[in-house]
Order: sequence, then structure tokens, then C-alpha cells
Amino acid sequence: ETGVTQTPRHLVMGMTNKKSLKCEQHLGHNAMYWYKQSAKKPLELMFVYNFKEQTENNSVPSRFSPECPNSSHLFLHLHTLQPEDSALYLCASSQEGQGQNSGNTIYFGEGSWLTVV
Amino acid sequence: SQQGEEDPQALSIQEGENATMNCSYKTSINNLQWYRQNSGRGLVHLILIRSNEREKHSGRLRVTLDTSKKSSSLLITASRAADTASYFCATGGSSNTGKLIFGQGTTLQVKP
Repeated sequence: ETGVTQTPRHLVMGMTNKKSLKCEQHLGHNAMYWYKQSAKKPLELMFVYNFKEQTENNSVPSRFSPECPNSSHLFLHLHTLQPEDSALYLCASSQEGQGQNSGNTIYFGEGSWLTVV
Repeated sequence: SQQGEEDPQALSIQEGENATMNCSYKTSINNLQWYRQNSGRGLVHLILIRSNEREKHSGRLRVTLDTSKKSSSLLITASRAADTASYFCATGGSSNTGKLIFGQGTTLQVKP
């Protein structure tokens, strides 16, 4: 148990569906992230939220829409996805520090397996 | 863009042997971290080494960092079957934004 909880663990959706992935962190961290992990590809950073403000969008298609209502919760809203969007979506959190001596250790959830049919 | 690149991509050893994985990166970093991922699960943080450190130990893990060569190594001593997993290095940029860039990982298989 890492303190980061993702639901659902598995999701199958059609290309015309709208669904959401949910993430909650119980660590009191101030930053949250969405990563995408596809087979045979490096972990891809999608979005970064810092103090509920989106600070990074790594050229992610608009069919992925993040929402961060507070520093403990993060959502990824999905609509009109493509089969190539099938992947493991990992949520993570960290305490963003200041200066050269901060840790930036990231704590990951168990991931949500998404299959787009 | 990919920062860390692990080598080898796959490693298979017998239980009790040592496993060494290497990571190279391209730009200046604040710290380098190693993570472990069991199949289909989330990543678990193993160890962090800062740019002003050269070596760090945690249990059976030993990490080295050579900033002049932009490389790091992870050594797992006396490996166990339960160490079977994928291992990733991740670099934290000097801007200290908390953004980590991950490599493709090394898949380690430890045979009992």
C-alpha cells in the first residue's frame, strides 16, 4: 500500500464511451501526476498538477481531460478514445520541495488497466 | 523525451547471484532514482541518489552515480526469486519541478 489509490483497476470501454479514472492520495502531497505505460515504451508523463494547478501537459490529445478538484484527488476523463490508447494509466503523487536538496520521490498507485475496443 | 536508458534491457540470473543494471542519461540532473515494477502493478520507489552523492546503500541494493559519465548503476546482491521484476531509473531535472523522466527499464528474471 503506497498511499495512492486508483479506481477502477480495470476498465474496458468502447470508442464512443465516456469514462473516468480516479486517483486519491493519502500522503498529504502537493503534486499529482498521470503517467501512461504502453507495452515496450518508456513511461510517459501526461499531466502534472501542483497545488491543484496544472503545470504540465505533455502534448496529450484532448480526448484525455484531467481534473484536480483538490490536492488529494485527481481524475482523468476519457472520451472518444482510440484502440492505441489502451495502456496502463498510473497516477502518482509527490511532495514538491524547494532547492537542490529536496527529494521528489514519487509514490505510484497500482494503475488502471484500460482497454479500448 | 526519454532521459534515462537502462542496460541491459533484459537480464536472467540464478538465485544467489548478483544483478547489475546500468542507466545512462543525457542532461544535468538534481537526483536519480530507481524504481521497481512487478508485472502489471504500480512502480515502487527503491532508492534516491542526489547529484552530489557517489554511492548509496539500502539493504541488498547498492547504487552508484557518476555525473561526469552521466551514468548510474543498481546492484542487487544475493538475488532472490522475489526480485524478479522490471527496474527503472528516473532522473529529476535540475529545475526541481518534481517531474521525473523514466527510462525503458531492465527486466530482471531470477531463477530459483
